[in-house]
Amino acid sequence: EVQLVESGGGLVQPGGSLRLSCAASGITFSSWWMTWVRQAPGKGLEWVANINPDGSTKHYADSVKGRFTISRDNAKDSVTLQMSSLRADDTAVYYCATSFDYAFDMRGQGTMVTVSS
Amino acid sequence: QTVVIQEPSSSVSPGGTVTLTCGLSSGSVSTGNYPSWYQQTPGQTPRMLIYNTNTRSSGVPDRFSGSILGTKAALTITGAQAEDDSDFYCVLFLGSATWQFGGGTKLTVL
Repeated sequence: EVQLVESGGGLVQPGGSLRLSCAASGITFSSWWMTWVRQAPGKGLEWVANINPDGSTKHYADSVKGRFTISRDNAKDSVTLQMSSLRADDTAVYYCATSFDYAFDMRGQGTMVTVSS
Repeated sequence: QTVVIQEPSSSVSPGGTVTLTCGLSSGSVSTGNYPSWYQQTPGQTPRMLIYNTNTRSSGVPDRFSGSILGTKAALTITGAQAEDDSDFYCVLFLGSATWQFGGGTKLTVL
């Protein structure tokens, strides 16, 4: 069974940084595109970033481009989202997902990021 | 900038059929947008229902089906059940390595 466990969320001040991690199990991790999706409180879903199986290709939403970096460690079956220059509108639950056929399979509980002074 | 549009709300009677749609502010949705659909109940992680327009995800009941109807992607629930009362989101691939979710449809089963 596929399991994705997100971690690293918390409270951070505007302008600060935070590093989210997602540990995968039950899959051949190195074969999968991975994606981060977020959901602000009471709002809809937003695609954030994705990365190809070997980490050589990365895509970002305009809202996070230049501030967030996605990376992966296939030896540790994990994907990371490094977030910097955080703003109040980055406050959200962040989900990681396996990606296939341009879709996102979110299996974890997400991790909450709150940007506030 | 292109926006993905969903009905904010819809309703269906138990046992009835309802179709939710996912369109573009400019242009038509096609299979090349690879529409996928997600169901979310309060406090829970979104669950993928349909991907690649009309392929059901593993374990998804066959009362859920996806299609292209006219200029939009569509999610049809045939024989709605009480547990289908939830939020539904679509996402489209817009090209240029960009994906966008719709604003979601709140479905009420009553």
